[in-house]
Amino acid sequence: GEDVEQSLFLSVREGDSSVINCTYTDSSSTYLYWYKQEPGAGLQLLTYIFSNMDMKQDQRLTVLLNKKDKHLSLRIADTQTGDSAIYFCAESIKSGGYNKLIFGAGTRLAVHP
Amino acid sequence: EAGVTQFPSHSVIEKGQTVTLRCDPISGHDNLYWYRRVMGKEIKFLLHFVKESKQDESGMPNNRFLAERTGGTYSTLKVQPAELEDSGVYFCASSRRVHEQYFGPGTRLTVT
Repeated sequence: GEDVEQSLFLSVREGDSSVINCTYTDSSSTYLYWYKQEPGAGLQLLTYIFSNMDMKQDQRLTVLLNKKDKHLSLRIADTQTGDSAIYFCAESIKSGGYNKLIFGAGTRLAVHP
Repeated sequence: EAGVTQFPSHSVIEKGQTVTLRCDPISGHDNLYWYRRVMGKEIKFLLHFVKESKQDESGMPNNRFLAERTGGTYSTLKVQPAELEDSGVYFCASSRRVHEQYFGPGTRLTVT
């Protein structure tokens, strides 16, 4: 089946690291994504990882993929107030020769001083 | 390069009325997708166009929803007649390569 699960809320102190977790069900997913939605804005593609990788780092962002456990995480180092947003995990699954995205419900990250 | 644009940003209609949402993809992107987020839940896939052809419409809820992409440029999503459960945020996305989808700001639809 197609299902992506993530916790709904995370609160961190400014300057700390944030870790947002996600589990997915389709073992054939080729790409896994993190999208960010700031208040009143659309979805911003934050980063993605190919399924044959186990880690990807991009400045303050680190994505870890455990394919055996179908677990994806996003770590944000030195979290800032501007990181407050909803973070959506998504997996890409094959659909008739193309891919479609299956999203989780989103994790709302609140950063406080 | 301009991003994906959607119009209107917000629409409030009464149950039974018709609403048409529009999406303009990034220029040159053959792939266009519609998604919907209802009541703060997960974002759900509705359908996928490749140019003007519907590649996958498995996520369309029922026959009250009609999507078109004439000429392979912009797309419209019509809801007729609208029901209360159609309320939500409708996102459009486009891509040149299938693994990089760029989303628009969404249209918030409220059916009263």
